Amino acid sequence: GDSVTQMEGPVTLSEEAFLTINCTYTATGYPSLFWYVQYPGEGLQLLLKATKADDKGSNKGFEATYRKETTSFHLEKGSVQVSDSAVYFCALSGEGGGADGLTFGKGTHLIIQP
Amino acid sequence: SQTIHQWPATLVQPVGSPLSLECTVEGTSNPNLYWYRQAAGRGLQLLFYSVGIGQISSEVPQNLSASRPQDRQFILSSKKLLLSDSGFYLCAWSLAAYEQYFGPGTRLTVT
Repeated sequence: GDSVTQMEGPVTLSEEAFLTINCTYTATGYPSLFWYVQYPGEGLQLLLKATKADDKGSNKGFEATYRKETTSFHLEKGSVQVSDSAVYFCALSGEGGGADGLTFGKGTHLIIQP
Repeated sequence: SQTIHQWPATLVQPVGSPLSLECTVEGTSNPNLYWYRQAAGRGLQLLFYSVGIGQISSEVPQNLSASRPQDRQFILSSKKLLLSDSGFYLCAWSLAAYEQYFGPGTRLTVT
């Protein structure tokens, strides 16, 4: 079945550092890929998405590129802020449209120190 | 715009007691609806999903059940809670665009 693998962390960085959170996936066909962010005690918020190979999703300074050849969707940000501290989830939606739910990675806890 | 509500926000229940969590969506019609559980603040487990009124698919056998009595209402229930039912319960909705939008969650502690 489909699966998503991401570093669990915690990942601790200083403010203004460069961020990369790796995400790789296993799926048949051409899934859609997502990054979600969860702040403490809250639900998940959609951060960005990509629906086909070589698409780049971007939002709030975060970017991720859908790499079919390496089955990856790594999340990057050039300069992180303390407010970026949260848990980040990589997810995929099966080729059929995801009516049966998304497949999530286990989440990466990001801590940004001032 | 669409909004999703969940209640209660927090709940403390004794083992063996019943459970009812509610989720409602506003601003859209005929959404797909989902219940997830998140244990220990990490990792999401899909529990149930629904593509229409009265249509429920279960992903994990357990003592929980779900119902969809109205188009934009999704209810998670249990007749007798177990300690292992503690966790953060998230409701989500989606349309044909595949991405899902999550509610604020319900923190359930079974004592």
